[in-house]
Amino acid sequence: GNSVTQMEGPVTLSEEAFLTINCTYTATGYPSLFWYVQYPGEGLQLLLKATKADDKGSNKGFEATYRKETTSFHLEKGSVQVSDSAVYFCALISPNSGNTPLVFGKGTRLSVIA
Amino acid sequence: EAQVTQNPRYLITVTGKKLTVTCSQNMNHEYMSWYRQDPGLGLRQIYYSMNVEVTDKGDVPEGYKVSRKEKRNFPLILESPSPNQTSLYFCASQRRVDSYEQYFGPGTRLTVT
Repeated sequence: GNSVTQMEGPVTLSEEAFLTINCTYTATGYPSLFWYVQYPGEGLQLLLKATKADDKGSNKGFEATYRKETTSFHLEKGSVQVSDSAVYFCALISPNSGNTPLVFGKGTRLSVIA
Repeated sequence: EAQVTQNPRYLITVTGKKLTVTCSQNMNHEYMSWYRQDPGLGLRQIYYSMNVEVTDKGDVPEGYKVSRKEKRNFPLILESPSPNQTSLYFCASQRRVDSYEQYFGPGTRLTVT
């Protein structure tokens, strides 16, 4: 079946540090890939997406590139801020997902300290 | 404003006392889901609904019920809550089953003692 594996957290960084959160996937067909973010006390919201190989999704300074050869979609940001502290979820939707389309990773908690 | 609302946001109850968590969306979305979020386990889907009167089990349906009598509402019912249902619950909706963006409610933190 389809699955998403994320690096385990928590990740703690100082402000302005470089961020990478690793995500790899297993899926049949050609999935679309997403990063969702959950800020404290809130629900998840879509951060960025990529729908085909070599696409780069970007938003709010975050980027992720869809790498089919390595089945990866790592999240990066060049300079994190305290306001980026949140839980980040990698997810996919595959054409063969049936009626439960979105498959989430377990989430990675990021804490940014000033 | 497009949104998914849930009520209540926080609930403490006792074992066996029936409860309902309401969920409503104002985007005319066909597909709605309930998830629970637990430390180390991520998000797990409880039930989903493809449209009005069409519901089905997700990964962890035991102990829960749902109904979809109207397109906008998708309540989650715990007929006889138990302590292992203590969790953070999220309702979500998307335009159709093959749409990629899910819109999440703010969550309901449930404690069963």
